[in-house]
Amino acid sequence: NAGVTQTPKFRVLKTGQSMTLLCAQDMNHEYMYWYRQDPGMGLRLIHYSVGEGTTAKGEVPDGYNVSRLKKQNFLLGLESAAPSQTSVYFCASTYTWGNEQFFGPGTRLTVL
Amino acid sequence: AQSVSQHNHHVILSEAASLELGCNYSYGGTVNLFWYVQYPGQHLQLLLKYFSGDPLVKGIKGFEAEFIKSKFSFNLRKPSVQWSDTAEYFCAVNAQNNAGNMLTFGGGTRLMVKP
Repeated sequence: NAGVTQTPKFRVLKTGQSMTLLCAQDMNHEYMYWYRQDPGMGLRLIHYSVGEGTTAKGEVPDGYNVSRLKKQNFLLGLESAAPSQTSVYFCASTYTWGNEQFFGPGTRLTVL
Repeated sequence: AQSVSQHNHHVILSEAASLELGCNYSYGGTVNLFWYVQYPGQHLQLLLKYFSGDPLVKGIKGFEAEFIKSKFSFNLRKPSVQWSDTAEYFCAVNAQNNAGNMLTFGGGTRLMVKP
């Protein structure tokens, strides 16, 4: 049982490049989330999903897109990366409403 | 919209000192409350959580937190810290009318314990 995994662990992009971050969970969780972590700001929710085929915007969705084609995977896309998107990205999942979220190890993204 | 405040951004303690980290939230309804810890270079892990019942909650590694509804607070405590407690601590709130089960996080408190 690997829990929540994220790929890649590190990435450096140039402004304007695109990329996709993959989150996978093997716990059969319904809810999945993408956060970004910036110093002094805690974690801020980018997008989330309450089940396969559904997505919704969080607090800071601009510049990001997501897809949840399979229950176990939640993809975060950056179509045209900007330096303001330099951050650490965390994926999380939970099995039912109100319960704790389980976090992945994070992806450190730098946009030059 | 709900918000979470952690007023202590950086805390430095010596080993064996007592710890109390403040967390206040703004939301008038019923909430679930969490404390997460992030050790250097690692992902967030749950320390403890409060859903209902006894407002004094005990978590892992000797941590506890007290929910005071009248003060909208959920402060984290530990009687005697160890060097291995050096980490960043996050308070988080989940409002019970929140269909997406979203968590709102505080800005974090970075704790350094000197040996």
